[in-house]
Amino acid sequence: AQKVTQAQTEISVVEKEDVTLDCVYETRDTTYYLFWYKQPPSGELVFLIRRNSFDEQNEISGRYSWNFQKSTSSFNFTITASQVVDSAVYFCALSEGEAVNNAGNMLTFGGGTRLMVKP
Amino acid sequence: NAGVTQTPKFQVLKTGQSMTLQCAQDMNHEYMSWYRQDPGMGLRLIHYSVGAGITDQGEVPNGYNVSRSTTEDFPLRLLSAAPSQTSVYFCASSPHDVIGGSNYGYTFGSGTRLTVV
Repeated sequence: AQKVTQAQTEISVVEKEDVTLDCVYETRDTTYYLFWYKQPPSGELVFLIRRNSFDEQNEISGRYSWNFQKSTSSFNFTITASQVVDSAVYFCALSEGEAVNNAGNMLTFGGGTRLMVKP
Repeated sequence: NAGVTQTPKFQVLKTGQSMTLQCAQDMNHEYMSWYRQDPGMGLRLIHYSVGAGITDQGEVPNGYNVSRSTTEDFPLRLLSAAPSQTSVYFCASSPHDVIGGSNYGYTFGSGTRLTVV
């Protein structure tokens, strides 16, 4: 069965600090997809990124970057020069690709990391 | 605007009452699903559907019922509400084809905050 662990339940940083949110996953599939979502205080879920298991290239998008390492089953998310607007709960999620046609693209979420960025 | 629409946004129920949470999408997505969000547990899958007329159970299906008579709608029914069903509920949709650009993702509704007293 698939599992996603976000060991950091809460992180507090001061604005402009860099912060890394950890995500460790478990799956028996060789094809899978990893996601990060942001949930701001308003409550909606905002899609940030999807990474395919066959593409280990790291990705950078502005102040956001993602480090995917299959060897350690990790998909960590770094925010550079954090801002108060980054305060939110961040979820890492996994979808097993080989089961997708039978399982409706089920997403398994980690418990989330609450990030608080103080001015 | 295209997307997933959930109604209502807030609801208070008494124990034993029944109600239906509505979810509609206008993107012609084949897949739809319901999740509940509880503190420290992330989102957990309740039920999902891979197309009209087809539904299946997720991780936490007890106490909930679903149907998918059209591609657009996927309502979630609480048969007899219990305090343990106090939660935030999210509906999501996605296309069948997951092979795509690196920005592929699910579309989530804005959520329904349900309190059962």
